[in-house]
Amino acid sequence: GAVVSQHPSRVICKSGTSVKIECRSLDFQATTMFWYRQFPKQSLMLMATSNEGSKATYEQGVEKDKFLINHASLTLSTLTVTSAHPEDSSFYICSARRSGTGIYYEQFFGPGTRLTVL
Amino acid sequence: GNSVTQMEGPVTLSEEAFLTINCTYTATGYPSLFWYVQYPGEGLQLLLKATKADDKGSNKGFEATYRKETTSFHLEKGSVQVSDSAVYFCALSTYTGANSKLTFGKGITLSVRP
Repeated sequence: GAVVSQHPSRVICKSGTSVKIECRSLDFQATTMFWYRQFPKQSLMLMATSNEGSKATYEQGVEKDKFLINHASLTLSTLTVTSAHPEDSSFYICSARRSGTGIYYEQFFGPGTRLTVL
Repeated sequence: GNSVTQMEGPVTLSEEAFLTINCTYTATGYPSLFWYVQYPGEGLQLLLKATKADDKGSNKGFEATYRKETTSFHLEKGSVQVSDSAVYFCALSTYTGANSKLTFGKGITLSVRP
């Protein structure tokens, strides 16, 4: 149990286009989902926290108009990279927190999406 | 702010060798500490955790002890297997609850040779 999927796993797009990445919790409900970005040989950097039915909370330095996050249901969050540029090329990882379980709310991670902007 | 520092990698070991992966942290308050593992092609999985000083987390033969005096949470395993080949991330959270966030180290790649 506690499986998180991401789609697509890999995407290549042209500069100026928008790309949508989906994150789904397959066998549990997730009130909260997180979006991370990982550069080569770097740690995961939290971009934003999304709560179902409300606006996402972005970390300092992350452009909310560029990285649009929608968490419309308890099993789906989407990240849309708008007007993508080569510097947006990265590995994007989502995680989901199971709704209301215990003192420690474990995050379950998706396998990641590799975005390459040409 | 919070930060996690892991030793530089990659690390290559022979099967049955002893493993130590160093992790130190800086944090405000009293963090909980975690090790995550990422096997090839998969998402990060929680390997073990410790929520207070002197706690020892353990799982699958791996252990790590929360050392407040040295602000460390080093990962150890007495005898590694080829199947342990993966990327290992040390992480901390300063609030265990609905609003907790994870701060990760850079990760280290472990390769175990038969």
